[in-house]
Amino acid sequence: DQQVKQNSPSLSVQEGRISILNCDYTNSMFDYFLWYKKYPAEGPTFLISISSIKDKNEDGRFTVFLNKSAKHLSLHIVPSQPGDSAVYFCAASASFSDDKIIFGKGTRLHILP
Amino acid sequence: EADIYQTPRYLVIGTGKKITLECSQTMGHDKMYWYQQDPGMELHLIHYSYGVNSTEKGDLSSESTVSRIRTEHFPLTLESARPSHTSQYLCASSEDLGDQPQHFGDGTRLSIL
Repeated sequence: DQQVKQNSPSLSVQEGRISILNCDYTNSMFDYFLWYKKYPAEGPTFLISISSIKDKNEDGRFTVFLNKSAKHLSLHIVPSQPGDSAVYFCAASASFSDDKIIFGKGTRLHILP
Repeated sequence: EADIYQTPRYLVIGTGKKITLECSQTMGHDKMYWYQQDPGMELHLIHYSYGVNSTEKGDLSSESTVSRIRTEHFPLTLESARPSHTSQYLCASSEDLGDQPQHFGDGTRLSIL
């Protein structure tokens, strides 16, 4: 049973526009959330994280929003650039020090010229 | 930034062979992990280690075994490979400090004929 769900397998966005990637989770014990980015033939690389005590965390062009009551988080990328084309994995854990991270299936983002 | 290396990158081998997937990191991280990922699916934690002589099984049951004799080295072994072991195997490491993210290697894509 999937605890972290990324319901959009793929997403296409025009270069320069905003990309919004969504993620839902079912386990109310999750307290820490992460986004990883993965290029083909490479391992995932950490992008941004958020603790449940916050509802927003920003790092440059990347912002993660957390809605705990809805068990929903989203990653906003603005403006979208060609190098953002990749697979994005949402992940969650019971705390920031918990090594058992549960991953979603990923969303493939295509940035169109 | 962590440097973490996995070899081989690709392996095609026959059923019944013994296989060892290598993972090494040069950053002195205490924590290391092995994940298994099928195409289009989530990463599943199969093994982790908190340091030398420490190994634990992850959430996904796996017939593989691991060892941690040196801090920098965390090999994964399959004693007798089967077609069901065909998958991508990703190694990761992290510092033993609170909210430090896991850094991933580029993975080994394993195909058992």
